[in-house]
Amino acid sequence: DQQVKQNSPSLSVQEGRISILNCDYTNSMFDYFLWYKKYPAEGPTFLISISSIKDKNEDGRFTVFLNKSAKHLSLHIVPSQPGDSAVYFCAASGAFGQGAQKLVFGQGTRLTINP
Amino acid sequence: ETGVTQSPTHLIKTRGQQVTLRCSSQSGHNTVSWYQQALGQGPQFIFQYYREEENGRGNFPPRFSGLQFPNYSSELNVNALELDDSALYLCASSLDSRNYGYTFGSGTRLTVV
Repeated sequence: DQQVKQNSPSLSVQEGRISILNCDYTNSMFDYFLWYKKYPAEGPTFLISISSIKDKNEDGRFTVFLNKSAKHLSLHIVPSQPGDSAVYFCAASGAFGQGAQKLVFGQGTRLTINP
Repeated sequence: ETGVTQSPTHLIKTRGQQVTLRCSSQSGHNTVSWYQQALGQGPQFIFQYYREEENGRGNFPPRFSGLQFPNYSSELNVNALELDDSALYLCASSLDSRNYGYTFGSGTRLTVV
């Protein structure tokens, strides 16, 4: 049961253009969403997040959009830079009645920025 | 801040054996979570420890167990290893159990043969 899905395993974008990474979720109990970036041989690093009470959050070149009715979020990177080449994971969390705030991750999208 | 360190970085074990993976959390972080990342998949939540007690568990059998120590270190133990346990195991620490500011370690790559 894949509650968070990233349907594009890979994405290739020209340097300087916009990169758009997509994520869909099925569980309406999710109320907080995060994007992580992962380089080979390193752990995921936090990039940007959004609460379900917002529909947009911006941090420098990175913007996350949330469409709750469609259960869809996207990450926009503009302008894309070669250092952005990595695997990007979408993650979701919510109050499931447990003490732990677990993250449910998508499968990841490998982004390649071409010079 | 010293970050999150995991050891060993790579490990090869035989089916049926037991393994212990270690994690040293970021100083001051009293919550540690463990995730399993199979090849081509996203990380999956195994369990979380808060102040040395397990306070949440994912869909993993009891042969996956953990410990958290007062010095911010923790362990993941897996008994009766199966081939499907081959994965990258990630440790993540945070200030408290309801804080999303997770810091991940680089992981331990476990191969079961």
